[in-house]
Amino acid sequence: DAGVTQSPTHLIKTRGQQVTLRCSPKSGHDTVSWYQQALGQGPQFIFQYYEEEERQRGNFPDRFSGHQFPNYSSELNVNALLLGDSALYLCASSSPYSEALHFGNGTRLTVT
Amino acid sequence: ELKVEQNPLFLSMQEGKNYTIYCNYSTTSDRLYWYRQDPGKSLESLFVLLSNGAVKQEGRLMASLDTKARLSTLHITAAVHDLSATYFCAVANTGGFKTIFGAGTRLFVKA
Repeated sequence: DAGVTQSPTHLIKTRGQQVTLRCSPKSGHDTVSWYQQALGQGPQFIFQYYEEEERQRGNFPDRFSGHQFPNYSSELNVNALLLGDSALYLCASSSPYSEALHFGNGTRLTVT
Repeated sequence: ELKVEQNPLFLSMQEGKNYTIYCNYSTTSDRLYWYRQDPGKSLESLFVLLSNGAVKQEGRLMASLDTKARLSTLHITAAVHDLSATYFCAVANTGGFKTIFGAGTRLFVKA
């Protein structure tokens, strides 16, 4: 039973560029949440997707956008990258029947 | 706005000792989580607490929830080096659409 998978594992981008991160949820899960974790800090909630809609959003600018596909997988897009966007981006999946959020291994984004 | 505060943020302890990590949150919540994160790794679920008075134990770790005080504790009994990690408390808002994490407690257990 595959858990949450994220790709790519590492990414280096230049300021001003755009990036797309991908997430496949755990089998049986229909909800995907995205988090940003800066070094030495706790994960910060970006948004949650359910039924292909953004259901809730954290305090992140519109440069951060997402999408959920009919197979429940999800993408996180970040436009006009800033140095401060360098972080570990974590995807978590869940379902109405799962108690815990299940996290992927994350994508480490470095913006130079 | 839902806020989660953990303390202490850093904890250095001797093997064999006991200690407690505290997690306070600001508004009514559906559920409370404890996660562990090792350096460079993702988050591992330890406990999910759903109701007032809930207590769960796994090995040397025990978590409890007091929804009236909006307080959860993670108690470490007879610490061992393998418990060295960062521990996060996280709280879901009503409906579970948004889960907010505390800043984490960096635990170092000295042999």
